[in-house]
Amino acid sequence: GAVVSQHPSWVICKSGTSVKIECRSLDFQATTMFWYRQFPKQSLMLMATSNEGSKATYEQGVEKDKFLINHASLTLSTLTVTSAHPEDSSFYICSARVQDSYYGYTFGSGTRLTVV
Amino acid sequence: AQSVTQLDSQVPVFEEAPVELRCNYSSSVSVYLFWYVQYPNQGLQLLLKYLSGSTLVKGINGFEAEFNKSQTSFHLRKPSVHISDTAEYFCAVSDYNQGGKLIFGQGTELSVKP
Repeated sequence: GAVVSQHPSWVICKSGTSVKIECRSLDFQATTMFWYRQFPKQSLMLMATSNEGSKATYEQGVEKDKFLINHASLTLSTLTVTSAHPEDSSFYICSARVQDSYYGYTFGSGTRLTVV
Repeated sequence: AQSVTQLDSQVPVFEEAPVELRCNYSSSVSVYLFWYVQYPNQGLQLLLKYLSGSTLVKGINGFEAEFNKSQTSFHLRKPSVHISDTAEYFCAVSDYNQGGKLIFGQGTELSVKP
């Protein structure tokens, strides 16, 4: 139970284009979704927290206009990297806090974004 | 703000040897502690978690961890490792006061050699 499906698993895009990453909770309602970024051989850095139906809360230093997060339903959250540049190339992972279970976090399988 | 420090960036060990991966966290009123494993180009898999109660927590794949409040530590152990345990391991903390965000340590690369 508590599975998050993340798509795509990898994507290559041209510089200047936008890319959307989706995370869907398959068997539970995700009221809160976290988005992380991970560089090679590094840890996960929290980018933002999104709650269903409200604006996302971004961590300090994360560009809100570049990384658009939408959490329009209890089963879907999206991250759109706008006007992507090579420095945005990274591994992006979503994580959902299972509703009514403070200590329950489940992770998507990640998206490898390469901007050329 | 909560923080987590994993004291070893790389831990090489021979197969069937015991291993300990160290984790310290900054103190807070109440914290939940987690260990995750990540294989290359994959998401994270939960090994174990400490919420309350017994300080010795048993997880999957033979791993266990001990919560030590006085030393603010949550070290991960396995008595006998396998080649398949080679992966990146992350310690993480969650704090009520920060809205339940998971904050990760820097990660420890466990390399099991035959």
